[in-house]
Amino acid sequence: AQRVTQPEKLLSVFKGAPVELKCNYSYSGSPELFWYVQYSRQRLQLLLRHISRESIKGFTADLNKGETSFHLKKPFAQEEDSAMYYCALSGQNTNAGKSTFGDGTTLTVKP
Amino acid sequence: DTGVSQDPRHKITKRGQNVTFRCDPISEHNRLYWYRQTLGQGPEFLTYFQNEAQLEKSRLLSDRFSAERPKGSFSTLEIQRTEQGDSAMYLCASSRDGSYGYTFGSGTRLTVV
Repeated sequence: AQRVTQPEKLLSVFKGAPVELKCNYSYSGSPELFWYVQYSRQRLQLLLRHISRESIKGFTADLNKGETSFHLKKPFAQEEDSAMYYCALSGQNTNAGKSTFGDGTTLTVKP
Repeated sequence: DTGVSQDPRHKITKRGQNVTFRCDPISEHNRLYWYRQTLGQGPEFLTYFQNEAQLEKSRLLSDRFSAERPKGSFSTLEIQRTEQGDSAMYLCASSRDGSYGYTFGSGTRLTVV
């Protein structure tokens, strides 16, 4: 079974402060992990995926298989980062592509 | 291509009525997914297609729900005999394959009164 846990429903930081959104997962095989973001009144959109090892809008995420985590980090938060963030997991098997989502973390960056 | 389109954006229906939603994916994407989202929760998987084949349907989904993707293009999701518990945002997404992640539509918000 696939499970994604985002332990923080709400996270608030000041502009310029570092931010870390936590994501833990449970999966018996090799996972593919994603972060999605939803800005106010916009559709859910892909932010980054672990397989590409990229930095998007200053955000990075490292897959830690030992701790089964995929935390999202940014060294200096900006007000425009305020949004809902979802972590998602997809398995690398015959059902690859079906993603399981966490319940999301609402990030608020205060001026 | 304007991305993933969903129609209608909002639907209010009386309990017991049938409703149908449509999703038009990105044309190059062969995978299409339906999810449901309620307040405070993440998207919950309903079903997905690869081309015209429905590969998986959630065990949580009752027999009142059915989805089709004729010719591997657009998809429809029908809910028969709607119940108040069906009130939710219904999201459609498409992808090239699993490792690229999803492109979502704006969703259809269903309210059952």
